[in-house]
Amino acid sequence: KNQVEQSPQSLIILEGKNCTLQCNYTVSPFSNLRWYKQDTGRGPVSLTIMTFSENTKSNGRYTATLDADTKQSSLHITASQLSDSASYICVVSGADKLIFGTGTRLQVFP
Amino acid sequence: NAGVTQTPKFQVLKTGQSMTLQCAQDMNHEYMSWYRQDPGMGLRLIHYSVGAGITDQGEVPNGYNVSRSTTEDFPLRLLSAAPSQTSVYFCASSYGQSKVYGYTFGSGTRLTVV
Repeated sequence: KNQVEQSPQSLIILEGKNCTLQCNYTVSPFSNLRWYKQDTGRGPVSLTIMTFSENTKSNGRYTATLDADTKQSSLHITASQLSDSASYICVVSGADKLIFGTGTRLQVFP
Repeated sequence: NAGVTQTPKFQVLKTGQSMTLQCAQDMNHEYMSWYRQDPGMGLRLIHYSVGAGITDQGEVPNGYNVSRSTTEDFPLRLLSAAPSQTSVYFCASSYGQSKVYGYTFGSGTRLTVV
């Protein structure tokens, strides 16, 4: 069964600290993997996309990694800011559909 | 550049009522989709369209209808609202295949059915 699992469900960190969010998937065949950021009351916004051959992709303070062999991805946030408080959703593209994870809720406190 | 515009932002319905959630995009995207987002679940596809005049069912289509008469608009109709349809609804559009080009999402409609 095609699944995308994210951990942790929620995370609280202090401003300025780094954090890493995890995404494990069982989607096959695999096309690509995206990380989305969803602010409260808003729609998701794409942060990064990675295909099978890409190991790392950065977007400012956001760095995504992909290990296609173990079917794991991570999103690393460096020097967190209050504006990073949001839900982060991992989305894996299979043959003909997108599989959405349930997201990690990140709260950054001053 | 407005992107994807959804209206209304909030709505309360009584069981059995019908309504239409509006979605419009100004990016000339061919692909448009409707998703619902429920606590503890990933976004689930309701209906989608790959171009004007073409629609198809997604993962959870029951109780919903769509039409795509223009490239810009993709309304979602709830035929007879049920409490199980209480959710946040997102409209999304994509230049081409969503898995290749990614989605632009609207801000969502929070629907409560009582």
